[in-house]
Amino acid sequence: ELKVEQNPLFLSMQEGKNYTIYCNYSTTSDRLYWYRQDPGKSLESLFVLLSNGAVKQEGRLMASLDTKARLSTLHITAAVHDLSATYFCAVVPSPLGAYKYIFGTGTRLKVLA
Amino acid sequence: GAGVSQSPSNKVTEKGKDVELRCDPISGHTALYWYRQSLGQGLEFLIYFQGNSAPDKSGLPSDRFSAERTGGSVSTLTIQRTQQEDSAVYLCASSPDRGQEQFFGPGTRLTVL
Repeated sequence: ELKVEQNPLFLSMQEGKNYTIYCNYSTTSDRLYWYRQDPGKSLESLFVLLSNGAVKQEGRLMASLDTKARLSTLHITAAVHDLSATYFCAVVPSPLGAYKYIFGTGTRLKVLA
Repeated sequence: GAGVSQSPSNKVTEKGKDVELRCDPISGHTALYWYRQSLGQGLEFLIYFQGNSAPDKSGLPSDRFSAERTGGSVSTLTIQRTQQEDSAVYLCASSPDRGQEQFFGPGTRLTVL
């Protein structure tokens, strides 16, 4: 069974702190996506990771991909309140040409002022 | 340019009624997806369209659900004889081609009384 697991499911952190969200998946894949969802809103694309060792950074967020470990991380540096949202990772299983995204369970992040 | 649009944004209906949800993908995107998101949950895949190929309907939860995509563009998701458990947010996404980055619409919040 294809599984994409995120942890933690809930994260409450103080402003200024660092933390990492983990995304583990059970199938072979070389494409992983991170999305952000604000309450009552749709999903917004954050990062597209297309190869082993890929690292992308945008502001206080940095995402990485280790396809051998089947693991992606989303690192938050010096969190601010505006980062409060739910974060989803999504995997497209290999082989190339596959199309069905498998979404993680989501991590609900709350940054406390 | 225009993103993915969905209508209506909110729909309240009575149990047993039929509803139609509409999705306008980004122009030129060949792949179109429908997902369902229940309150506080992740995304549940419903159906996938790719160009003029037969859709992947494997995620539709029952035969009350159907979808079509006319002319490779606009898609309609129809739910017949709605039940209370159908209450959720229905999200549409499109991508340039299979497996590529998805762009999500704002969603339709369906409430079945």
